[in-house]
Amino acid sequence: KQEVTQIPAALSVPEGENLVLNCSFTDSAIYNLQWFRQDPGKGLTSLLLIQSSQREQTSGRLNASLDKSSGRSTLYIAASQPGDSATYLCAAIMDSNYQLIWGAGTKLIIKP
Amino acid sequence: DAGVTQSPTHLIKTRGQHVTLRCSPISGHKSVSWYQQVLGQGPQFIFQYYEKEERGRGNFPDRFSARQFPNYSSELNVNALLLGDSALYLCASSWGTRLTQETQYFGPGTRLLVL
Repeated sequence: KQEVTQIPAALSVPEGENLVLNCSFTDSAIYNLQWFRQDPGKGLTSLLLIQSSQREQTSGRLNASLDKSSGRSTLYIAASQPGDSATYLCAAIMDSNYQLIWGAGTKLIIKP
Repeated sequence: DAGVTQSPTHLIKTRGQHVTLRCSPISGHKSVSWYQQVLGQGPQFIFQYYEKEERGRGNFPDRFSARQFPNYSSELNVNALLLGDSALYLCASSWGTRLTQETQYFGPGTRLLVL
């Protein structure tokens, strides 16, 4: 069964810290992996998309890496700010059905 | 350009009723996908449509159906509502030409409460 797992489920850190969110997936033959942000009661905002041929993508203070051999992706957030508080979800396309398989998310709280 | 739009934003129904949710994709996008997100969980894939044809279906009962119109907007229909259908229903659009390489853009969702 194709699964995506995110650990921890929740994380609280002081403002200014660098942090890493983890995502693991069961099928190394993924097509791509995306990181999303979800604010309470809202829809999803795409942050970064990593193709299967890539190892990382960067956007501003965010850097996402992909290691297919170990079945892991990480989202690195530099110099965290209170506005970064949200739930972060990773999702992967792992077969030709093009369905996004989702993790349950990590709820991040940045304390001022 | 407007993003993905969904209507209504909130909806309250009773068990056994029927509901229709609507989605308009980003201009130029031809692929629309529907997801169900139960509180505290990640979204679950329901359907994907491209050029008005169903391209994928998740593990949902036949009470769930969808269609895509010539203007690429889409409707999700749910019959015989159950309490467990209470969730945030998300619509996402993409160009659709290279699905494994495209970012999906999500609407704000429709929050459905079944009483």
